[in-house]
Amino acid sequence: ILNVEQSPQSLHVQEGDSTNFTCSFPSSNFYALHWYRWETAKSPEALFVMTLNGDEKKKGRISATLNTKEGYSYLYIKGSQPEDSATYLCASFSGSARQLTFGSGTQLTVLP
Amino acid sequence: GAVVSQHPSRVICKSGTSVKIECRSLDFQATTMFWYRQFPKKSLMLMATSNEGSKATYEQGVEKDKFLINHASLTLSTLTVTSAHPEDSSFYICSAPSLGDTEAFFGQGTRLTVV
Repeated sequence: ILNVEQSPQSLHVQEGDSTNFTCSFPSSNFYALHWYRWETAKSPEALFVMTLNGDEKKKGRISATLNTKEGYSYLYIKGSQPEDSATYLCASFSGSARQLTFGSGTQLTVLP
Repeated sequence: GAVVSQHPSRVICKSGTSVKIECRSLDFQATTMFWYRQFPKKSLMLMATSNEGSKATYEQGVEKDKFLINHASLTLSTLTVTSAHPEDSSFYICSAPSLGDTEAFFGQGTRLTVV
C-alpha cells in the first residue's frame, strides 16, 4: 500500500449505535499513526497518536487499535451521539520524510 | 498542547490579486511547517514543506512561483497565493510538528475565495 486509505468514505448511523472505520497505511518505514477529528472550517483535533504494534488507546467513547505489521488501524465509537458527527482523518507519519500523509477521511453523520 | 495560529481565517479577493496567509507557532519554535490544501470532497493534500532559513520543498504539481512560501523566523511561515484565480479558491491549513515529530499541531485554516 503506497497511500493512506480510509473506509468507508461516509457513514450514517443512528444515535446510540456503535460504529468503526478503517485506516490502511504503508507498513514500511512506519513511525506513527495519527487519528484526527475534523469539523468543517476548524482545525483538526488530535485524537490519538499511536506508535506501537498492538497498541490500543481510548478517549471516552472513542478507541483505536494499531497493527503496524499489516498496516491498518481501526477507530471505534461506542454509543454514537450527534455531536460525534465529523470527518475522522487518519495520517501516517513517515520517519524518513518527517511529514504526515493523510487518508481521505470517513465522514460520520449520527442521526438523532 | 502547543498552539499554532493561522491568519486570516477567511479572505475574499479579486482575481489577479495576491493573498498572504500567516502561520505562527505561539509557544514553541518550529523549524519546519507544512502547508496543506483541501480540494472539494477530498482530504488534506500536502502542498509544501517550509524550512526556516532555507527554501521550501514543494510537492509535485504545486507551482512554486504561484504559491510563495517564506519561513523567515522560527515562529512564522507565510504562504502567498500570487495572481489568484477562482480555481485557487480552497481551504488552506498549516501545521507544525512537535519536538520529536510525534504529532502535528494545526492552525485554524484559511478559507480563500477568489472572485
